[in-house]
Amino acid sequence: ETGVTQTPRHLVMGMTNKKSLKCEQHLGHNAMYWYKQSAKKPLELMFVYNFKEQTENNSVPSRFSPECPNSSHLFLHLHTLQPEDSALYLCASSQAPRLAASRGNEQYFGPGTRLTVT
Amino acid sequence: AQKVTQAQTEISVVEKEDVTLDCVYETRDTTYYLFWYKQPPSGELVFLIRRNSFDEQNEISGRYSWNFQKSTSSFNFTITASQVVDSAVYFCALGEIQGAQKLVFGQGTRLTINP
Repeated sequence: ETGVTQTPRHLVMGMTNKKSLKCEQHLGHNAMYWYKQSAKKPLELMFVYNFKEQTENNSVPSRFSPECPNSSHLFLHLHTLQPEDSALYLCASSQAPRLAASRGNEQYFGPGTRLTVT
Repeated sequence: AQKVTQAQTEISVVEKEDVTLDCVYETRDTTYYLFWYKQPPSGELVFLIRRNSFDEQNEISGRYSWNFQKSTSSFNFTITASQVVDSAVYFCALGEIQGAQKLVFGQGTRLTINP
């Protein structure tokens, strides 16, 4: 595998279900991100992790719970979601800030998980 | 506050035409990064280019070129001799140089190249 992978690619879940989205990066990066892309809004940053530590939570509801066990893996645990949470969830990775000056900080994205909450 | 505006929601052209996608940004930072990403129907955002705010040289990569003008806070993207495979949604983004490297994205421009 190369780049950033995400599983599953599609997910349909009920409002009472619990599910998890998985992201894995094979680029040797140390920063990972979750974004939400819904039909009528620009890409919204949800969470940022640098070297496994959460450094940004963009006022995301607690029904979304991220987990970053190491620099290569990122999860988004979902529970009691609402229909308005239906969206494309994108994971990205980049060099961490202290490395970005020498190596660049562009973010590389995975293909996303298309989530539908019924 | 940082903001990116892509005023063109949708553009449709015939193959081989040149097309320019506009991007205007707002920031109080004196140094920053600008990016362009392409999102084909598959959904994955593909990184195209990164520019530093202190480097105003225009850049050309094959059929793609970028015009960065700090005086007008614009970072426009031109595709020359467009092809059907260029059909996608294109996003302009503004990023911090320091800190959490948050990206602020524009709304995107849906580009359709018709054969």
